[in-house]
Amino acid sequence: RKEVEQDPGPFNVPEGATVAFNCTYSNSASQSFFWYRQDCRKEPKLLMSVYSSGNEDGRFTAQLNRASQYISLLIRDSKLSDSATYLCAVVYGNNRKLIWGLGTSLAVNP
Amino acid sequence: EAGVVQSPRYKIIEKKQPVAFWCNPISGHNTLYWYRQNLGQGPELLIRYENEEAVDDSQLPKDRFSAERLKGVDSTLKIQPAELGDSAVYLCASSASGLAADEQFFGPGTRLTVL
Repeated sequence: RKEVEQDPGPFNVPEGATVAFNCTYSNSASQSFFWYRQDCRKEPKLLMSVYSSGNEDGRFTAQLNRASQYISLLIRDSKLSDSATYLCAVVYGNNRKLIWGLGTSLAVNP
Repeated sequence: EAGVVQSPRYKIIEKKQPVAFWCNPISGHNTLYWYRQNLGQGPELLIRYENEEAVDDSQLPKDRFSAERLKGVDSTLKIQPAELGDSAVYLCASSASGLAADEQFFGPGTRLTVL
């Protein structure tokens, strides 16, 4: 089993839709969790840190479920500009290494 | 605030040639990372620096890759000699210390093509 797993998609949704991605992690000692967004041929950009209590930033909501070892990202009212690959990343270990998923591809269609 | 700066943005070389990439992290960020990313994959850590010390280079192919961060600020990653399989995007990232230490910020990357 991979340390961090994501459904690669692609997720094709119409504008205005709500879409959710999950990311599972295998190490229960994982300490920090992040969602990054990566546009085609661009670098990953930090979208949200995921806190135990969950967090929301505008149309984006991130949740952490430690019992089931996954994090989620919910995007409401999808915009065309949300089309991108969404990478999750998890930190654990004394060396605090960031372990990456392969990403979930989202295409928002007009 | 300036972000992570990398150069060059693109590099095309023939196999067996050397190549070097440069990175200047966000000002004040003590931790610097070099990653390699292939199409459809997540970033793969090559080396991590805390100031001038390489604290994790377990994934760096040391037979052909080398890196340095002599003054604990900017860094250079070198490949010598390059192989066809080294074609990828080489990303540099940096992070601050303290509570936000795990949040990494990336530069635009160097897209390497080895012919």
